Amino acid sequence: EAQVTQNPRYLITVTGKKLTVTCSQNMNHEYMSWYRQDPGLGLRQIYYSMNVEVTDKGDVPEGYKVSRKEKRNFPLILESPSPNQTSLYFCASSTTTGSNEKLFFGSGTQLSVL
Amino acid sequence: LAKTTQPISMDSYEGQEVNITCSHNNIATNDYITWYQQFPSQGPRFIIQGYKTKVTNEVASLFIPADRKSSTLSLPRVSLSDTAVYYCLKRTYSSASKIIFGSGTRLSIRP
Repeated sequence: EAQVTQNPRYLITVTGKKLTVTCSQNMNHEYMSWYRQDPGLGLRQIYYSMNVEVTDKGDVPEGYKVSRKEKRNFPLILESPSPNQTSLYFCASSTTTGSNEKLFFGSGTQLSVL
Repeated sequence: LAKTTQPISMDSYEGQEVNITCSHNNIATNDYITWYQQFPSQGPRFIIQGYKTKVTNEVASLFIPADRKSSTLSLPRVSLSDTAVYYCLKRTYSSASKIIFGSGTRLSIRP
């Protein structure tokens, strides 16, 4: 089954404790991206990657890191989480072939930073 | 990148046709329009995509007029399960890059 898998689904942590949210897709998609969703602010893109070893900032990259060492994986790293990073996070992937391009989203990761 | 503009919310009743309009005045030649549906605490799900005129699939229809400055998502005979937030996105062919979601339209369907 074609899917984007995020882990964990829920995460509670404390300020300053490094964490990684994993994202994996099995569709051989070139494009992957991360979003956070907050009440009243909608979905905002954090980082995106056009292909392996190619990443770029979205709208809200501060406080986050990403890496794309393999095509299927795109982990989101919070080196020193802060309470304002409490949010619902989504990973997504797509092809980059224009007319057939549509985003497939993971189920989300609800992060709480205390 | 400019966002698209949609109504914040809409209400309708089961069995009705619902039309949600999206404004994208600065659409470029290589841009196309995609709509997504999102239920609470779930990731958005692709509904339909188009470039111009009319596109129809098993879920919805998408109307894009000749000037392409707006588009309308049409949901035929809605049910309670169509209650969700609907997002209109403007994307560029062969140039997948930064993506900006608008605020979306919160659609509420009543019995």
